[in-house]
Amino acid sequence: DGGITQSPKYLFRKEGQNVTLSCEQNLNHDAMYWYRQDPGQGLRLIYYSQIVNDFQKGDIAEGYSVSREKKESFPLTVTSAQKNPTAFYLCASSMTGTSSGNTIYFGEGSWLTVV
Amino acid sequence: QQPVQSPQAVILREGEDAVINCSSSKALYSVHWYRQKHGEAPVFLMILLKGGEQKGHEKISASFNEKKQQSSLYLTASQLSYSGTYFCGTSDTGRRALTFGSGTRLQVQP
Repeated sequence: DGGITQSPKYLFRKEGQNVTLSCEQNLNHDAMYWYRQDPGQGLRLIYYSQIVNDFQKGDIAEGYSVSREKKESFPLTVTSAQKNPTAFYLCASSMTGTSSGNTIYFGEGSWLTVV
Repeated sequence: QQPVQSPQAVILREGEDAVINCSSSKALYSVHWYRQKHGEAPVFLMILLKGGEQKGHEKISASFNEKKQQSSLYLTASQLSYSGTYFCGTSDTGRRALTFGSGTRLQVQP
C-alpha cells in the first residue's frame, strides 16, 4: 500500500543524546516535510525539502538537522542542542510544493520523550 | 506568520451546526483543512484554491474569501465522529510549505 511510514512510533532520549527519526514514502512525491506538535498545540514547521539534495529551514529549525539523499527518505535528527525535544513529530509529503495547489499527507507520527 | 483560527473550542450536541474560521495577514494561494483525533495524524478534509470557490464533502463544506484572506469550514448536522481538533493550513507564494493555525477543538456530545 502507498503511504508514509515513520519509525519508531515511540522513542526515549537521554539528555545530551542525538536521535534520528525515520520517514519513508512510496508515493513518488517530490516534497517532504517535518512538523513538530506540542500537546494541545498546532503544527510547527521544522524543515522541508522540495527535491533530492535540497532542503530549507522552517520556523523552528534550531537543534534539528535533516538530509534528503533519496527521493523516498527524509530522516530528522534531533540533536542535543534541542533543549526541549519532547513532542509529537509528524512527517508529511506532497506531489510538489504546496504553492502549486498540492496538499500534504501525513505519516502516523513519532512520539519523542526526554528521560 | 501563523493563520488565526476561531473559535478556539466549541461544544455541540449531535445535529447542531458549527463554523470554524481561519484568517491570515498574508496573500494566500490556498487553504487546506485537516481534522486530527487525539494522538493520531491529521487527516486531510479539503483544499481551497484562490478564486473564492466553495467546496463540499458530505456535510462538511468550506469557502475561501480571497479578498479578505479568510476561509470558513462549515459543519452541518454534526455527528459524534466529527469530534476532534480542526486545523487550517495556509500556503502563500513565498514558501512551498503549509503554515498551520493553532487549531479549533470541537466536541460533539450525544
